[in-house]
Amino acid sequence: AQSVTQLDSHVSVSEGTPVLLRCNYSSSYSPSLFWYVQHPNKGLQLLLKYTSAATLVKGINGFEAEFKKSETSFHLTKPSAHMSDAAEYFCVVSEAGTASKLTFGTGTRLQVML
Amino acid sequence: DTEVTQTPKHLVMGMTNKKSLKCEQHMGHRAMYWYKQKAKKPPELMFVYSYEKLSINESVPSRFSPECPNSSLLNLHLHALQPEDSALYLCASSPTDRRGEKLFFGSGTQLSVL
Repeated sequence: AQSVTQLDSHVSVSEGTPVLLRCNYSSSYSPSLFWYVQHPNKGLQLLLKYTSAATLVKGINGFEAEFKKSETSFHLTKPSAHMSDAAEYFCVVSEAGTASKLTFGTGTRLQVML
Repeated sequence: DTEVTQTPKHLVMGMTNKKSLKCEQHMGHRAMYWYKQKAKKPPELMFVYSYEKLSINESVPSRFSPECPNSSLLNLHLHALQPEDSALYLCASSPTDRRGEKLFFGSGTQLSVL
């Protein structure tokens, strides 16, 4: 069975400082892992995905994530936060065989302060 | 066109009403999804259509009835809903339902059941 744990429900940073959103996963198979972002009252947008190619994955808007199998982690980072990054972030794992069976983390709300 | 369009954006209905949510994409995607998202929670999968056939029903109550009239359209028919059905309903699509596919989400329909 697969699962994903987002270690922080809320993260607050100042504009221009680094962002770290933490995610640990559990999967019986070689996982597909994603980060999605959701702005208020909007749908979800894919930031980046890992599907067993390079372990350092670069996404949109300056975000990147590193897949660490030994630590079963897939943390999301950005060197410098912008006000527009304030949103809900979901770490997601995909069960083997189908895109349909996505397991979502509980989400991390990122607040960016001036 | 890389959009998934959902209508209406907001819907208020009584428990005896019948209404429909609509979702449209013109990306040639052959997998389409309905998700339900309660406030401050991750999305929950309801239904999956693959090549216009219902492939997954996550034990959703029969008061929710999906329909996929063609490869571009997905409907969700609502009847005799309960107040606890109030939520954001998200439609998504992907090229296929293979593992690792990126899902494209619409902005959702915010449903309130009175």
